Parts: sequence; C-alpha cells; structure tokens
Amino acid sequence: NAGVTQTPKFQVLKTGQSMTLQCAQDMNHNSMYWYRQDPGMGLRLIYYSASEGTTDKGEVPNGYNVSRLNKREFSLRLESAAPSQTSVYFCASRPAAGPFTEAFFGQGTRLTVV
Amino acid sequence: AQSVTQLGSHVSVSEGALVLLRCNYSSSVPPYLFWYVQYPNQGLQLLLKYTSAATLVKGINGFEAEFKKSETSFHLTKPSAHMSDAAEYFCAVSESNQGGKLIFGQGTELSVKP
Repeated sequence: NAGVTQTPKFQVLKTGQSMTLQCAQDMNHNSMYWYRQDPGMGLRLIYYSASEGTTDKGEVPNGYNVSRLNKREFSLRLESAAPSQTSVYFCASRPAAGPFTEAFFGQGTRLTVV
Repeated sequence: AQSVTQLGSHVSVSEGALVLLRCNYSSSVPPYLFWYVQYPNQGLQLLLKYTSAATLVKGINGFEAEFKKSETSFHLTKPSAHMSDAAEYFCAVSESNQGGKLIFGQGTELSVKP
C-alpha cells in the first residue's frame, strides 16, 4: 500500500522561482492537508481541503496556493519562493468518518530556497 | 480557535525511566486529541487518540495518555523508556466538524540515555 505519496523528496530553489509540490493518496480519503515543519515550531497548517472541490486557509497560508485536482491529489504551489519558505513540507489525508479519524502522512519534501 | 501547547521542547530520560510528555489543550467544546510520533527523516504516525470513550487511552509501543478535563491536559506517559523511543512527539487537536482542521503543538523531542 502506497498511502500518501509526496514528490519530490528534495528540492533546491532560487529566490523568486516557482514550483509545485505534489501529493497523492490511494486510501479514498476525503480530507487532505498541507503542513510545514520548522525547528521549534512544530507542524503548522498551510491549507487544507475538507472534501473534493473545497480548500481553506490554515495558520500560515501567505505565499502559497493549493489545488485539489481530484479526490486523490492535492498540490501546493509556491509562486515566488522566498528563503523564509525553506522548510520540510508534509501532506496528510484523513477519511471522512469524523473528527476522531487518524491522519496519514507522507514522507515529506525537504525544500531549500537560496 | 482550538490549540494545544506542549511544555518542554526537549525531554531527556534514562533507559528504563518513566517518560512524561506534557500537552495542554484549549477548546470550548469537547476536544478530539491525538499524539503522533515522528522518527528521524520520516513522516508522522499515530500513537493514540482520545475520543471521549475513556479518559485513559492506551496506544502503541506501551504509551498511554490520560484526558483530564479539570486540568485541560492530555499528557503522554510510558512506564519504562526504551532506546527506540527516541523521537519527536506531537500533540494535536481536531476541529469537531468533519474534515476540519488538525492543529499540532510545537513538538517535544525525547532523548533516551543508556
């Protein structure tokens, strides 16, 4: 079982470049999330999608956009990368059964902006 | 808005000693609380969750957590630490609506000394 797959695993960008982080899940989950992880800050929610066709801002949405392409895929786009966006990015998904459901995480994308 | 606070960014214990990782929540409604663990260079995986069925929750790898409404706490414990428990631990709270936000604390890094 693949679970949640993130691509790429590593990326180095120059300031001002754009890129899209891809996330796909094969568990038929309704909800998907994007987080960034920084030392001492824990995981901070960037955007989430409660169901196909909907997206909402999280705690730190500035500088990012998302697309819920279909039920399986949820992409995160950096239009003009900044050094402050250097971080490890995690995608997660949850089934629609309720707020007590477990989130499943991808392995992360380590992004460096120089 | 719901939130969780983890007291102590780093905890060090000796092998065989009690592990206690602290988490306090802020919620105006009964919370759905989780503990996740992250091993180096990996994504997060669920340790245990509180869903109001019982105040003492048992999880994987010998961990358990007790929900205390009067203290707004959900501390994680393990009677005897093992070297393999060295990891980062995150407390999280879920919004009560289906597909809602999943908000994480700052994380606590657990070190286990031989």
